[in-house]
Amino acid sequence: DAGVIQSPRHEVTEMGQEVTLRCKPISGHNSLFWYRQTMMRGLELLIYFNNNVPIDDSGMPEDRFSAKMPNASFSTLKIQPSEPRDSAVYFCASSTDRLSNQPQHFGDGTRLSIL
Amino acid sequence: QKEVEQDPGPLSVPEGAIVSLNCTYSNSAFQYFMWYRQYSRKGPELLMYTYSSGNKEDGRFTAQVDKSSKYISLFIRDSQPSDSATYLCAMRPFAGTASKLTFGTGTRLQVTL
Repeated sequence: DAGVIQSPRHEVTEMGQEVTLRCKPISGHNSLFWYRQTMMRGLELLIYFNNNVPIDDSGMPEDRFSAKMPNASFSTLKIQPSEPRDSAVYFCASSTDRLSNQPQHFGDGTRLSIL
Repeated sequence: QKEVEQDPGPLSVPEGAIVSLNCTYSNSAFQYFMWYRQYSRKGPELLMYTYSSGNKEDGRFTAQVDKSSKYISLFIRDSQPSDSATYLCAMRPFAGTASKLTFGTGTRLQVTL
């Protein structure tokens, strides 16, 4: 079975540019999560969707960050304009809440570097 | 102060050793506790899942929760080089995706030959 698929795997861009990260969750999963991982702060939840609807975006750091989930098989996280402090590894995860205590399955992340 | 504290390591042990990884937390509402393993340049994967206090064993891995001390542990017996990874603890107040997972920053483990 295909896991959570993220693209691109690596992104290097200059400060001020728009960055779009993409995620395809596991088929049948109805919850999707975007995380950011840094050495200093660890893994932080940015936003999560349930049945394509944003439920909690309290972790989104600033208005420069936005996320969408137009359908059950695709989500994007956009940063506009990007800043060097946005450099991190961004993970997407999905799970199903049809059974209790289901784990979150993570993609392999997008390593983002803003110069 | 962070809700979940975890020593970043690195922790280096010889093959065959028993490894103890630990997290402390401050939120007494946490009831579900998880350990994730993350290999370099990969996403975290769930290793162990426990509810409330007590022990849970799965092969070489044992997860232990002490809610009175707000302390959780993961023990790895007969450690192998393939266990070399970063181990993250995670916890939530109740079951279901409506409950936010809070992660520790991870402990990097190196098992040497």
